[in-house]
Amino acid sequence: EIVLTQSPATLSLSPGERATLSCRASQSVSSFLAWYQQKPGQAPRLLIYDASKRATGVPARFSGSGSGTDFTLTISSLEPEDFAVYYCQQRSIWPTFGQGTKVEIK
Amino acid sequence: EVQLVESGGGLVKPGGSLRLSCAASGFTFSTYNMNWVRQAPGMGLEWVSFISDTSSSIKYADSVKGRFTISRDNAKNSLYLQVNSLRAEDTAVYFCARGRVSGYRWPDDFDYWGQGTLVSVSS
Repeated sequence: EIVLTQSPATLSLSPGERATLSCRASQSVSSFLAWYQQKPGQAPRLLIYDASKRATGVPARFSGSGSGTDFTLTISSLEPEDFAVYYCQQRSIWPTFGQGTKVEIK
Repeated sequence: EVQLVESGGGLVKPGGSLRLSCAASGFTFSTYNMNWVRQAPGMGLEWVSFISDTSSSIKYADSVKGRFTISRDNAKNSLYLQVNSLRAEDTAVYFCARGRVSGYRWPDDFDYWGQGTLVSVSS
């Protein structure tokens, strides 16, 4: 099983600031990595797939980068609606998720 | 508009069973692979099961293998998960999720999700 480790567990930022979230895989997943956003009581929403491709309707302030074992989700300027939990997921072998990073208002 | 609506959750005793359903609309259901993903209260996401577009390929997480059965009815645009021999650790919200790419692909990421149905296992 490929283990995904997300850091930090919690990110405390103010609206307008830049958010940088990390996801590290226990072995290479090539570019087969996705990012999801989840708000309380809601289903996850696909943001990024194949490491850097934005899903339909996702604002340009969200960007993904990386390959192999190290990946980053960047939110260039936080909007109030961006405060949520973010998960990474790999589809290299069996799908697994990271444990999540909570982006909270500072 | 793509919609996935789960139902069938509830409170059940350890060892009990439930049948979860997911009604799909807004897309050609028969051409997409489907999945169940669960989330225990306050916890992260765990992929549970996969079924290909034609039902020819089925996969399960080790944690549910032998106890859960995934199926689909393309004529009814519906996905199912029969959950048997339930344990306390199966308590979770169960989401149905569409594989992003039409046609067979395993594994995949998930582009549309339902709102989930809660399964609670307690005596």
